Amino acid sequence: DTAVSQTPKYLVTQMGNDKSIKCEQNLGHDTMYWYKQDSKKFLKIMFSYNNKELIINETVPNRFSPKSPDKAHLNLHINSLELGDSAVYFCASSQDASSGNTIYFGEGSWLTVV
Amino acid sequence: GNSVTQMEGPVTLSEEAFLTINCTYTATGYPSLFWYVQYPGEGLQLLLKATKADDKGSNKGFEATYRKETTSFHLEKGSVQVSDSAVYFCALSAVHSGGGADGLTFGKGTHLIIQP
Repeated sequence: DTAVSQTPKYLVTQMGNDKSIKCEQNLGHDTMYWYKQDSKKFLKIMFSYNNKELIINETVPNRFSPKSPDKAHLNLHINSLELGDSAVYFCASSQDASSGNTIYFGEGSWLTVV
Repeated sequence: GNSVTQMEGPVTLSEEAFLTINCTYTATGYPSLFWYVQYPGEGLQLLLKATKADDKGSNKGFEATYRKETTSFHLEKGSVQVSDSAVYFCALSAVHSGGGADGLTFGKGTHLIIQP
């Protein structure tokens, strides 16, 4: 069973479109995250939710909107997609927001904007 | 703010060679330190971690020791294999002023290539 699963794995779309990436974890964790990995492999946190409440909101365009319907799900919606949004987006989760906890990652969603 | 600096590579070694990937960090307070590995086309997997000074994390023959005095967490392996070829990320997690963690701050990754 996959611990952190995200869909779709690959997404090719045109500029200006709106798209969503879904994420679910079956680990019973309280905290979930979205990370972005750019073409140079650099990873940066975008958002974090703890028990459905937003706790980290980095400097991300407001075209990106996370939604957490329950603590097992954290979806990422992106409006008006731009070429620069092309990246790999990783969902992740941890037991809670403590600093020593292992963060478990999904397999990534490869987004290509054309 | 928090930051992690690691050698970017690519690092190319022959099979059975000794590996060191350097990692140093800047953080307020006492962060937890991690090494993650990313195999081609896959997500990130935790390789090892250490949550306090002088702790040693180890897994699959890899080791790293949390050195507070040098703010370092260098990754080592005595004898690498072709299957170790991947991108390795050093990361830290620190507590912010509100009491919760800031999530992971990553280094830029080190691409390791092991040749037979």
